[in-house]
Amino acid sequence: GEDVEQSLFLSVREGDSSVINCTYTDSSSTYLYWYKQEPGAGLQLLTYIFSNMDMKQDQRLTVLLNKKDKHLSLRIADTQTGDSAIYFCAESNGYNKLIFGAGTRLAVHP
Amino acid sequence: AAGVIQSPRHLIKEKRETATLKCYPIPRHDTVYWYQQGPGQDPQFLISFYEKMQSDKGSIPDRFSAQQFSDYHSELNMSSLELGDSALYFCASSPWSRGDGHEQYFGPGTRLTVT
Repeated sequence: GEDVEQSLFLSVREGDSSVINCTYTDSSSTYLYWYKQEPGAGLQLLTYIFSNMDMKQDQRLTVLLNKKDKHLSLRIADTQTGDSAIYFCAESNGYNKLIFGAGTRLAVHP
Repeated sequence: AAGVIQSPRHLIKEKRETATLKCYPIPRHDTVYWYQQGPGQDPQFLISFYEKMQSDKGSIPDRFSAQQFSDYHSELNMSSLELGDSALYFCASSPWSRGDGHEQYFGPGTRLTVT
């Protein structure tokens, strides 16, 4: 079945790097996504990676995909207080529904 | 850039009442998805439409129905509301027929409170 798992909390100091991890079970996943949700707000698409890639970098964001272990991570360099939010990992087989993880709450402290 | 528009942003209803949520996708996006996010939970897929036809169905109760209109906007109709329907309802849109059609862009959500 389809399942996406994430750790629930992460606390980092401002300026450090944050690494948020995610595991998924569906081997037919074509795309893996990272969404950001701030309190009371919608879901913002941060980045995604195609399943035949193992890394994607976009400014402060680096996504690593280990397809063999079905493990996805999001690294945020130079984490700022504005990065405090819930980060959802999601997977899909292309053009259909997104399956989300439970979300990781990132807290950035001075 | 234009984003997905949802209305209303907040809605308070009583048990057994009906509610209609509206979604206006990003211009030239032909696919609409509806998700439900309960308090402290991850979004759960309800239903999607491509070119006005239902394309996929998730855990949507029989009390709910939805459709996509000729201008691509979509409405989620909810009847016989229950306390457990209180949630944030998101609409997302994507340009299915384009190369980047897998990217779903979310609206701000409608917060439904059933009392």
